[in-house]
Amino acid sequence: AQKVTQAQTEISVVEKEDVTLDCVYETRDTTYYLFWYKQPPSGELVFLIRRNSFDEQNEISGRYSWNFQKSTSSFNFTITASQVVDSAVYFCALRGRGGADGLTFGKGTHLIIQP
Amino acid sequence: DAGVTQSPTHLIKTRGQQVTLRCSPKSGHDTVSWYQQALGQGPQFIFQYYEEEERQRGNFPDRFSGHQFPNYSSELNVNALLLGDSALYLCASSLWDRGNEKLFFGSGTQLSVL
Repeated sequence: AQKVTQAQTEISVVEKEDVTLDCVYETRDTTYYLFWYKQPPSGELVFLIRRNSFDEQNEISGRYSWNFQKSTSSFNFTITASQVVDSAVYFCALRGRGGADGLTFGKGTHLIIQP
Repeated sequence: DAGVTQSPTHLIKTRGQQVTLRCSPKSGHDTVSWYQQALGQGPQFIFQYYEEEERQRGNFPDRFSGHQFPNYSSELNVNALLLGDSALYLCASSLWDRGNEKLFFGSGTQLSVL
């Protein structure tokens, strides 16, 4: 069975601080995909990143960066110089069986950026 | 280019009733998946449709059924509604293109069962 754990239920920081959202996953598949989504109050899940299990390179996109460590089954997400518009619920998700499975989501981390 | 559209946006039903939710995928996307998101939880996979057939199913009872039409749009049907079916129902459409998947979600249908 697959599992995604986001231990941080809620994080509150002041604007311009850096913040890291943790994600730990479990799967028996050798080929799998990891995702991060942002869910603003409107409800729509906004795609942030997709990473496959063979690519352990860290990625940076503007103020966002992701650290994938297969050895610890973690795929953490860092926002640098946070902004109020970053406030949302963030979900980490896993797709197994080489991409044939539906996504398994964590419970999400509610990120609050205070001005 | 319109994204994934879902209708209705909100719905109120009573226990025992039946409901149909609709989804139009992003243009060119041939695969539609449905997810249930209870309050304060992450989305849970219900099932996926491709070429008008259910290709994969999550851990949901047979009360949940679906359909995909030739134009790739999809319906989710839930029979004999329970209070616990109250949730946000999200539709996602996807397209595999040269080994890369493009997956997009709609804004969902908020279902309340009274």
